[in-house]
Amino acid sequence: EIVLTQSPGTLSLSPGERATLSCRASQSVSSNYLAWYQQKPGQAPRLLIYGASSRATGIPDRVSGSGSGTDFTLTISRLEPEDFAVYYCQQYAESPITFGQGTRLEIK
Amino acid sequence: QVQLVESGGGVVQPGRSLRLSCAASGFTFSRYGMHWVRQAPGKGLEWVAVISNDGSNKYYAHSVEGRFTISRDNSRNTLYLQMNSLRAEDTAVYYCAKPLRATPISFLIDSWGQGTLVTVSS
Repeated sequence: EIVLTQSPGTLSLSPGERATLSCRASQSVSSNYLAWYQQKPGQAPRLLIYGASSRATGIPDRVSGSGSGTDFTLTISRLEPEDFAVYYCQQYAESPITFGQGTRLEIK
Repeated sequence: QVQLVESGGGVVQPGRSLRLSCAASGFTFSRYGMHWVRQAPGKGLEWVAVISNDGSNKYYAHSVEGRFTISRDNSRNTLYLQMNSLRAEDTAVYYCAKPLRATPISFLIDSWGQGTLVTVSS
C-alpha cells in the first residue's frame, strides 16, 4: 500500500501569513490522484483539493495544491482565522485508500 | 443537498458485534459506490471499506478484512457496516462517505456524514 508522510506535524503561523504543507508518498501516485482535506474539531473532513491541484467546489483561490509523482504541497497564501485546522492528504489511485497522518495548523 | 446520517454506534464488549447504518439523501444513491472511513479518538483518518453502486464488488482494509462486511440496500438508500469480533482498536468515529463521481467504484471522497462513535470496551 502507498504510505503518505506529511510534514510538519504542527505548523504555527499568524493570520495573513503563508502556509506550506507537504505530503510525500512511498511510491509514485498514479495520475496524481492526490487529495487534501481540512478537518476542524468535532467536524467531518472537507475536501479542498483533488487531482493534486484542482480546487473542490467552494474552495477559495488562496488555497492551492501542487506536485506530482511522490511529492505534493498544499499552500494557503493568506491565512484566515477559519483556516486553522488539521489537514490530511489522501491518495485515491489504488486500494487501499490511504491518508497521511495529518498536519495541525495552529495560530501562533 | 447531500445528507449522510449514520446510526448504530455505541459501547460494545470485545468480541461482540455491531451493525452501523447510513441513511443517504439528496443524490441518486444507486449510482454511487460508497465508503466507510473511521477515526480513532485523537487520531487520523483510516479507510475501512468500499462497495460498488450495485453491491457486487467490495474491498476492505487489511485491518478489518474477514471481520467487517459492507452492504447496501438501494431500495432504502441505506449503507451498512456489519462489524463482528470487535476489538479495542476498532474504537473510533465511523463515517459514511460518498465519492465525488457517480461511478461503480470511485475512491475520491467529497461528502461525509457526521459520524457515529463506536467504543469497544469491557
